[in-house]
Amino acid sequence: DAKTTQPNSMESNEEEPVHLPCNHSTISGTDYIHWYRQLPSQGPEYVIHGLTSNVNNRMASLAIAEDRKSSTLILHRATLRDAAVYYCILREDYGQNFVFGPGTRLSVLP
Amino acid sequence: DGGITQSPKYLFRKEGQNVTLSCEQNLNHDAMYWYRQDPGQGLRLIYYSQIVNDFQKGDIAEGYSVSREKKESFPLTVTSAQKNPTAFYLCASSISSGGWEQFFGPGTRLTVL
Repeated sequence: DAKTTQPNSMESNEEEPVHLPCNHSTISGTDYIHWYRQLPSQGPEYVIHGLTSNVNNRMASLAIAEDRKSSTLILHRATLRDAAVYYCILREDYGQNFVFGPGTRLSVLP
Repeated sequence: DGGITQSPKYLFRKEGQNVTLSCEQNLNHDAMYWYRQDPGQGLRLIYYSQIVNDFQKGDIAEGYSVSREKKESFPLTVTSAQKNPTAFYLCASSISSGGWEQFFGPGTRLTVL
């Protein structure tokens, strides 16, 4: 299975943009890039996913490098409620299970 | 409201006892999953079920058992054979095994004394 590498932790100030990086140099052509986040003492929740093109939704944006070996989750204006562990996961379109690594712990400072 | 419920939120058991964690969903999803999370770690897959009356082992199935007799229910039993059962247990479901979004329950924190 292709693996992802994320920084252990990051800090951001409230109301500033946050760029969470993910490296996946062994990604295959059929791997989708998924992002989930886990707030303290809760189950993870879906944030966004994409294949090749950049994606936007109400929660975040996903910027995917042209060679697909890295991606960045962008939170446009961090709030205190965005403090969570963010997981970057690769998964083929159908059939495979998700593999949740340790993720990046994001702290948001007021 | 549709969603996944897990009960109880906190569970304490004595060493050597079996314990069953409940997971129920009313999302009409075919696939259901159990994960274990240890402090500061990611999630590890214990068991998953793609359809009623069928389930497969995940990465760390030893010491655990499951059943899937109904579409909406996927209980997990932590047996006395599980050497280190204290952990946070998360149940999830998706519309199918290939669904791109998994919906998670609030989790059960099991402490074995």
